[in-house]
Amino acid sequence: AQKITQTQPGMFVQEKEAVTLDCTYDTSDPSYGLFWYKQPSSGEMIFLIYQGSYDQQNATEGRYSLNFQKARKSANLVISASQLGDSAMYFCAMRELSNTGNQFYFGTGTSLTVIP
Amino acid sequence: EAQVTQNPRYLITVTGKKLTVTCSQNMNHEYMSWYRQDPGLGLRQIYYSMNVEVTDKGDVPEGYKVSRKEKRNFPLILESPSPNQTSLYFCASSFFPRTESTGELFFGEGSRLTVL
Repeated sequence: AQKITQTQPGMFVQEKEAVTLDCTYDTSDPSYGLFWYKQPSSGEMIFLIYQGSYDQQNATEGRYSLNFQKARKSANLVISASQLGDSAMYFCAMRELSNTGNQFYFGTGTSLTVIP
Repeated sequence: EAQVTQNPRYLITVTGKKLTVTCSQNMNHEYMSWYRQDPGLGLRQIYYSMNVEVTDKGDVPEGYKVSRKEKRNFPLILESPSPNQTSLYFCASSFFPRTESTGELFFGEGSRLTVL
């Protein structure tokens, strides 16, 4: 089974609107971390936001927020007030923190295009 | 400046010619890892290391070797490259998650490898 699933290969959003990028995960570890990264066309990987499995509140970082629904195993990224510079590929990732290893798993990504 | 440095950034080689992609970080991170990025597949972990002389296989280790003789360096070795190893490779490093660190990955700029 896929550890991280991103079901939206491509998304479009109007400038200044909000957009939600979906991510579901699969783990049996009680302790894990969830991350979102942005990859612009230039290719670098930019860390956006983090949510720990024991965190009670949803993480927020500026215009980014993570809608964490633990029971549903979902960690959707919400970008508010979209800007043209938000056009990029977005990856959801999970870090399992088990005693036997410390692997990172990435989804296949969502390509976001912001329309002027 | 805190960074992860990979070399070379671009390389075209031929089948069977051994090559090494170097990776160095200056942040004193315990954890280092290698990923390959292919269209439609996202990032997949090749190998990771939790400390000096400690390495573990990720999801796609076949055809690759690594070593961690020093904390700051984590080279990726392709002993006999084949065309299916043509890909974009990323090295990344992080602290282990702790109170003052979420353990997010810091990525190098990527190395684009073509095997003919």
